[in-house]
Amino acid sequence: DAGVTQSPTHLIKTRGQQVTLRCSPKSGHDTVSWYQQALGQGPQFIFQYYEEEERQRGNFPDRFSGHQFPNYSSELNVNALLLGDSALYLCASSFWQTSNQPQHFGDGTRLSIL
Amino acid sequence: DQQVKQNSPSLSVQEGRISILNCDYTNSMFDYFLWYKKYPAEGPTFLISISSIKDKNEDGRFTVFLNKSAKHLSLHIVPSQPGDSAVYFCAVQNAGGTSYGKLTFGQGTILTVHP
Repeated sequence: DAGVTQSPTHLIKTRGQQVTLRCSPKSGHDTVSWYQQALGQGPQFIFQYYEEEERQRGNFPDRFSGHQFPNYSSELNVNALLLGDSALYLCASSFWQTSNQPQHFGDGTRLSIL
Repeated sequence: DQQVKQNSPSLSVQEGRISILNCDYTNSMFDYFLWYKKYPAEGPTFLISISSIKDKNEDGRFTVFLNKSAKHLSLHIVPSQPGDSAVYFCAVQNAGGTSYGKLTFGQGTILTVHP
């Protein structure tokens, strides 16, 4: 039973560039959430996708956008990269609107901005 | 404005003793509380959870306690083992409404268990 998989594992970009991160949810899950974890902090919620629509969004600028595909996989796009975007980006999957079921996380993509 | 706080950045305990990790939250509308464990270079792994209708949940060596009046959550690990050394995050979630499914995390506590 495959868990949540993310690619790439590491990525180095320069300021102003654009990046796309990818996530495949745990088998059977239909909802994908994205989190940003800065060094020494807990993960912060970016947004959540279900049925190919953004269902909720955290306090992140429009430079952060996403997409969900019919097979439930998801992409996170970040435009006009800033130094402060350097972080670990985590993808989590779950069942939509199923109470008391924990989200399962991937191992993340480490994004470094030079 | 931090809604979830873990005030101890680190905790060091001896193998075999009890580890107690604490977490405070501000919003009484949260109704599902979780603990995740994170090893370096890995994603957070779900450990144990509790709903707001309970005050205790136990799973093997791990017990979570919820004090709703104090808005306080704690995780007890007994006995502690060196393999428990990791970063522990508490997280809260609304089980319904417009914020359903959004996890809000604390800053984490680094637990070190010495042999």
